Amino acid sequence: QTVVTQEPSLTVSPGGTVTLTCASSTGAVTSGYFPNWFQQKPGQAPRALIYSTNNKHSWTPARFSGSLLGGKAALTLSGVQPEDEAEYYCLLYYGAAQAWVFGGGTKLTVL
Amino acid sequence: EVQLVESGGGLVQPGGSLRLSCAASGFTFSNYWMHWVRQAPGKGLVWVSRINSDGSTTNYADSVKGRFTISRDNAKNTLYLQMNGLRAGDTAVYYCARDLVGPTSYWGQGTLVTVSS
Repeated sequence: QTVVTQEPSLTVSPGGTVTLTCASSTGAVTSGYFPNWFQQKPGQAPRALIYSTNNKHSWTPARFSGSLLGGKAALTLSGVQPEDEAEYYCLLYYGAAQAWVFGGGTKLTVL
Repeated sequence: EVQLVESGGGLVQPGGSLRLSCAASGFTFSNYWMHWVRQAPGKGLVWVSRINSDGSTTNYADSVKGRFTISRDNAKNTLYLQMNGLRAGDTAVYYCARDLVGPTSYWGQGTLVTVSS
């Protein structure tokens, strides 16, 4: 059973910087896992932020960036805004199983 | 305007069946991979299944393999999820998504499936 692990919760001050990570139980996350990041606010459908490690959607604010960091996928928010308070999910591709697996999500609090 | 509208959710008894639909508009449906993702109440997102643009390739999460079937009708611009052998653990909001992991990702608003006696 493949498990994708994220920090359950993080807190950041407005204007600060925070990095969320995404680890795979199978080993180091590489670009071959095509990491994706999604944001979900209460009562809303999720919205895509980052695809294929570090590519932004047209609607993704510049303060969001994706990368690989220490064997994990990472989402960095620089200059956090109050409206960034949300749940963030990563998604990884497992080619051998031809399946995608979400992480458990990180609840980001802006305080 | 791109729209994905899910329907077909509701209350079903354990062991029962349900077919979800996702009506697409505002884009060329037949050009895109489509996915189903679910979210149990108060829980995280779970990828369920995907289908390629012409319906010839399908993949499933282990948790639904053999019970759920994804399909599409490109003439009707509609995606389906046939769910058989439903269990309490299948209770969730089911979202359809266009190009889930690509540059044109778009999600519907979801439909709630409740499996309970």
